[in-house]
Amino acid sequence: AQKVTQAQTEISVVEKEDVTLDCVYETRDTTYYLFWYKQPPSGELVFLIRRNSFDEQNEISGRYSWNFQKSTSSFNFTITASQVVDSAVYFCALSDQTGANNLFFGTGTRLTVIP
Amino acid sequence: GAGVSQSPSNKVTEKGKDVELRCDPISGHTALYWYRQSLGQGLEFLIYFQGNSAPDKSGLPSDRFSAERTGGSVSTLTIQRTQQEDSAVYLCASSLTYGSGNTIYFGEGSWLTVV
Repeated sequence: AQKVTQAQTEISVVEKEDVTLDCVYETRDTTYYLFWYKQPPSGELVFLIRRNSFDEQNEISGRYSWNFQKSTSSFNFTITASQVVDSAVYFCALSDQTGANNLFFGTGTRLTVIP
Repeated sequence: GAGVSQSPSNKVTEKGKDVELRCDPISGHTALYWYRQSLGQGLEFLIYFQGNSAPDKSGLPSDRFSAERTGGSVSTLTIQRTQQEDSAVYLCASSLTYGSGNTIYFGEGSWLTVV
């Protein structure tokens, strides 16, 4: 069965610190996709990244970077030099064929960046 | 439209009343999804549409919930005889097509409070 675990419920950091949000997933499929979404206080889920299971290259986008490791079934998200605007709830999600291609979300990590 | 649009943004209703939540997906997106996010909880998948068809309705919490989509565009989620446990944010999303790996874009949600 599909499962996404975000063990960190809440994290607080001081502005300019780096922070890593953990995501561990479970799937029996060999083809699957992993996502990160940001949910600011406004409520809208903002798409950040999509990664397929055959591409283990790490990705960097500005202050954001993602580390995908199939050996540990993890897809961790790092924010470098955090800013107050990064404060939000971050969700990791999985899409696979067994799950009818729907998104299965973790329970989210609430990040608070303190100025 | 530019993004997924949902209405109403906020709805307070009395227990036992029916409510309708509307979703207007991104123009050209054939797949549409409904999710529910209860306070402090993760996102719960409810139903998806491919065009006007909903192949799997098993995610709907009870038979008080129904959804339809007409013209391959706008969708309505209806909750009959609302209960307090129905209080949640109802998120609509859409993607270009249906299938694993498609990026799913979310609206800002409809916040439902049943009193």
